[in-house]
Amino acid sequence: DGGITQSPKYLFRKEGQNVTLSCEQNLNHDAMYWYRQDPGQGLRLIYYSQIVNDFQKGDIAEGYSVSREKKESFPLTVTSAQKNPTAFYLCASRDGGYNSPLHFGNGTRLTVT
Amino acid sequence: AQKVTQAQTEISVVEKEDVTLDCVYETRDTTYYLFWYKQPPSGELVFLIRRNSFDEQNEISGRYSWNFQKSTSSFNFTITASQVVDSAVYFCALSEVGRTYKYIFGTGTRLKVLA
Repeated sequence: DGGITQSPKYLFRKEGQNVTLSCEQNLNHDAMYWYRQDPGQGLRLIYYSQIVNDFQKGDIAEGYSVSREKKESFPLTVTSAQKNPTAFYLCASRDGGYNSPLHFGNGTRLTVT
Repeated sequence: AQKVTQAQTEISVVEKEDVTLDCVYETRDTTYYLFWYKQPPSGELVFLIRRNSFDEQNEISGRYSWNFQKSTSSFNFTITASQVVDSAVYFCALSEVGRTYKYIFGTGTRLKVLA
């Protein structure tokens, strides 16, 4: 079955360490997204990519980095510069334009202590 | 400014009650799309429905129904005869023409259906 796989489901890191969250899709979608979800704040866009080797900052990109070397992969690195990294991170993809729904992975819960 | 407001933070109902989740949006575009997503405890958001700005016809799908009113900029979601499995966080989202990358999400409404 086609879908989006995020791994791991739970991730724990010490403050000051960079950490990379994996996102893989086999839906053949061009566009991929990373969202951050915090209680009471809905989903906030971190980065998005419309095609391979191209990505754009979203609303809260500071302290994060991404790469898009392959169509099916869009990893997110949470750097030590991100002041409040503990959150639930969701990866999504889309196969068309503004009228297409997003398809989401099941998320990674990152805890930094 | 573009904005989606879900004023209801949390709603609790008893099983078999009907419940309506409110969504109010702001946009300057005349062409846009509205979406509803469900996020069960597992965490993955599931797409429920899409409606474009030119189609104000209400839609019913089983126990779910959606009421889109441009005059009040609202896209409300009603669950009839709620069930425990409906317990989840529900998000309303807006997508605008020309802003292909960005979906604007509301803050979500947590629905608890009690047995």
